[in-house]
Formats: sequence, structure tokens, C-alpha cells
Amino acid sequence: DSGVTQTPKHLITATGQRVTLRCSPRSGDLSVYWYQQSLDQGLQFLIQYYNGEERAKGNILERFSAQQFPDLHSELNLSSLELGDSALYFCASSVGVGPSGNTIYFGEGSWLTVV
Amino acid sequence: SQKIEQNSEALNIQEGKTATLTCNYTNYSPAYLQWYRQDPGRGPVFLLLIRENEKEKRKERLKVTFDTTLKQSLFHITASQPADSATYLCALEGGGSQGNLIFGKGTKLSVKP
Repeated sequence: DSGVTQTPKHLITATGQRVTLRCSPRSGDLSVYWYQQSLDQGLQFLIQYYNGEERAKGNILERFSAQQFPDLHSELNLSSLELGDSALYFCASSVGVGPSGNTIYFGEGSWLTVV
Repeated sequence: SQKIEQNSEALNIQEGKTATLTCNYTNYSPAYLQWYRQDPGRGPVFLLLIRENEKEKRKERLKVTFDTTLKQSLFHITASQPADSATYLCALEGGGSQGNLIFGKGTKLSVKP
């Protein structure tokens, strides 16, 4: 158990809908990262927050947004969902501002299926 | 931007042998490189980190090397066991902004008894 908690574990929704994925980082970790993993793309970095502030942005679509709250939990919002958004979404956390030299710990992921 | 290539999509070996996985990167040399293990449907689990000034790092049956001239890291599992079967991911900082840890697509290792 990495200590990173993600909910829901599985989610099935229709195209055009909006979903919210939730992540609680490990106790004491200030950085939260979101990754998307699909079969053909591998793990793709989406976005990182550190202590409530956006720190780094990757290949995150405009239809997606995230935030980190004062209690350090984070939410990833996916809207106007398309079939291609079906993937496993991981949250990860680390103590420091970035992964440079820090171990990052992954949650078990949220499986999103768009039908 | 930085790119990572893990040469083999799949590697099959016999129990007891040494598995060697390769990770190549393009462009600049990162300050560090990490290896993760991922089991099907699970989150990646951190295994080892090696810094640019370290040639080799060991942890139990695992060994990682880092050659900044070749822009390559090798990941070895000695005395492999069926329980080592998993996908192994190489990761390093993507550059441009802190926090952007990018991953290779992984090598799926199968250890046959």
C-alpha cells in the first residue's frame, strides 16, 4: 500500500459527460501528480500541484482541469468525455516540489470507461 | 523535448537467469533516472533511483547502471524468479518544468519456471 488513495476505482460513463476523480496523497506529501495510462500511449504526465499551486503541466487537454485543496487532496475533472478518454488515471505524490531526487508514490488508479 | 525508449516490449527468460532491460533517452542527460515496477491494473512502484554522477546502484537482486555517454540505463535482475514477472518502467525528468517526470512505455518481463 503506497498510502495514496484514489476514488472511484472504476467508473463507466457516457460520451459528453463530466466526471471527477479524487486523490488523497500520502501523509506529509505536498506534491500531487496526475498521469493518464492507455494501452497505446503508456504513462502520460498530465499535471502537478505543489501545496495548492499548479507547478507543472504536461499533455493535459483543455477539457481536463485539476486542483489541489488546502487539505492537499486533489481532484481531476474530465469534461465533454470522448471514447478516447477511456484510460487508467493515476495520482501520485511526493514530499518535495518535484520528483527530482524524490520518490513518487502512485495510487492504484481510477479506471475510466467512456461508452 | 526528452524522449525515452525501452528497447523491448517484452522479454522472456528462464528462472534463475539474469534479466537485462534497456532504457535509452534522447537529448540532454537527466540529473537522475528512476526505475519502476508495474503489475497489471496496479500503480507503478518505485524500485531504484540513480543519479548522473553514479555509474551503478544496487538493491538486493537489482542493479542499475547509468551511462551518460551512451544515454542509456541498464536494469538487471539477477537470479530471476517468476514473481519478478511484471512491466518495468524507466522514468526521468522531462525538462522544461519541474515535476514533469516522463516514463518509457515499459518492458514486460516474463520469468518462466
